[in-house]
Amino acid sequence: EPEVTQTPSHQVTQMGQEVILRCVPISNHLYFYWYRQILGQKVEFLVSFYNNEISEKSEIFDDQFSVERPDGSNFTLKIRSTKLEDSAMYFCASTREYGYTFGSGTRLTVV
Amino acid sequence: GDSVTQMEGPVTLSEEAFLTINCTYTATGYPSLFWYVQYPGEGLQLLLKATKADDKGSNKGFEATYRKETTSFHLEKGSVQVSDSAVYFCALSHYNQGGKLIFGQGTELSVKP
Repeated sequence: EPEVTQTPSHQVTQMGQEVILRCVPISNHLYFYWYRQILGQKVEFLVSFYNNEISEKSEIFDDQFSVERPDGSNFTLKIRSTKLEDSAMYFCASTREYGYTFGSGTRLTVV
Repeated sequence: GDSVTQMEGPVTLSEEAFLTINCTYTATGYPSLFWYVQYPGEGLQLLLKATKADDKGSNKGFEATYRKETTSFHLEKGSVQVSDSAVYFCALSHYNQGGKLIFGQGTELSVKP
């Protein structure tokens, strides 16, 4: 069964540093998403991406965040200057019609 | 805006007990409804879904029926196992518009032998 692949599985970074989280969505999917889950809390929507542009973003997705689909397969989330409160599990997801397939997540720890 | 409310956890049951996790939603139009499961240390897995009123989603012994009149999508299982211990998330989306998933807060289930 096709999978959404995320790398790395765990990243530790210093406050103020830039991080890039990588995702390879399912190849024939059309919509791509990033979500985050702060430890023990609900899963929150960050951004959706369609046809090479952002289709929707949440209040969390401020100027520190950006997304790209640089080569037709990868889908990246960049955080320019990380803060302690960015520590969370970040999930990538993609969909074409029914259902959303999630990656296994990247645990980001900002120290 | 659209929202999902789940019963508070944790829910602790003995093996073979009957499970119900309540989920209600508020949404415009006719959203699709989902249950996702998150096992400890893992990502989100789709458990079941329903795309229109009165549809019943089912998988691995779990069931949920899309009730538009009560705006509910309660998750049920007749006989839980220790391996069902996980966090369960109810969610909705307007998927045909590429819409985002909106999650409830999650309900932790712990099944004791």
